[in-house]
This record gives sequence, structure tokens and C-alpha cells, in this order.
Amino acid sequence: GESVGLHLPTLSVQEGDNSIINCAYSNSASDYFIWYKQESGKGPQFIIDIRSNMDKRQGQRVTVLLNKTVKHLSLQIAATQPGDSAVYFCAEILGSNYKLTFGKGTLLTVNP
Amino acid sequence: DAGVIQSPRHEVTEMGQEVTLRCKPISGHNSLFWYRQTMMRGLELLIYFNNNVPIDDSGMPEDRFSAKMPNASFSTLKIQPSEPRDSAVYFCASSATGAGTQYFGPGTRLLVL
Repeated sequence: GESVGLHLPTLSVQEGDNSIINCAYSNSASDYFIWYKQESGKGPQFIIDIRSNMDKRQGQRVTVLLNKTVKHLSLQIAATQPGDSAVYFCAEILGSNYKLTFGKGTLLTVNP
Repeated sequence: DAGVIQSPRHEVTEMGQEVTLRCKPISGHNSLFWYRQTMMRGLELLIYFNNNVPIDDSGMPEDRFSAKMPNASFSTLKIQPSEPRDSAVYFCASSATGAGTQYFGPGTRLLVL
């Protein structure tokens, strides 16, 4: 069935660099996307979301980009810090459906 | 805002025992979700409640699993009898609406010996 997937399972960056985490989705009808951060031993934490009528949304140090043409979602983290080390999941919701479809996750490691 | 509260945070039990996990959703949220997370299968939706009513329990593994939501501020997930393959982290999440952003609790790490 259709699902959300991630291009890179692991990403290692230097502290202070910018990070880009990618996600591919296959359901073109999905209209709401969310990025979650999960630190070791904790639950997924909401970072930022974007609806399909937008192509970019910015938060504090994070930016989500949505390219509907190629069904691609990315999370950009500016000036990555050690506290950003975690697994990042993208998730999608289709219409008024309550079901979140999660990607497998990308492990981000920030080296000091 | 206290966020979603789950208890216990850790549970170790023996095969065959009953396990009860508890969740308090964010006040004012009308939707509650129970998930299970394992390395092999990732995050799996077990059951979804809307306004205290179970809407979708298709993710519940088998009859050994049951969930209740007696009021808007409390839900339980029960496993009876528990088996080693039930070992996982169980998350509760809530959202203001069914299709809205879900906010997760800290999870209960369950180990069945």
C-alpha cells in the first residue's frame, strides 16, 4: 500500500551546520504533513506541520518544504545543536482521516 | 500545559500476567490514540477514540488487548494475558480533533518476561 518513506536512515552533521532530512511520500492525495522528533526514551514530539496548499513553512530554526510535484518533504534545521540529536519522523494525513502514516525515521547525530 | 500523561513509565511483568497502561490526554482534546512502537514495526496505531467512543480498533493485535475510555480525561489499555512478544513501548496521543496534530505522551516501556 501507499506509505511515507525516508531517503536516508542516518544523518551525521557537525554542530553549527545546517541539517536537511528528507521524506518521500507516495499518496498524492495526502494534504497534511507533520514532522516529529523523538529523543531516546521519549515520545514523538511535534516540530512543525504543513498543509498541501503551502510549499514552505518556517518555525524556530526549522523549515519544512513541500514539493508536491515530486512528492517530497524535507525538514531543514539551521545551526544544528547537540540537542537536535534524535530520530525524526515525517507523517501524513489524508483529508479528514485521523490516521497518521509514519515514515521509518531518520537518526540525526550531531557531532560537537 | 501538562501534556499527555502516561503511567507507569516502565513495567516489567511475567508472561501470563495482566498489564494495565494508563493515559490522561491533554485537557480539551476530544481524540485519543494508543500506539505501539517496536524496532521491527515502528509506530503502529492500536486504537482511536473520539469523544470517548472507540472509532477504530482494527490495530488491536488480538483479543488479549482491550482499551477503554470511561471519560474525557482517562483511558486504559489492558493486556491479559501478557506475552513476551507484547514487549514494546506503548504511547498514548491526543489531538483537538480527529484529523489534527497528535501530541504524544512519554510512553510506557513494557517488558514481558
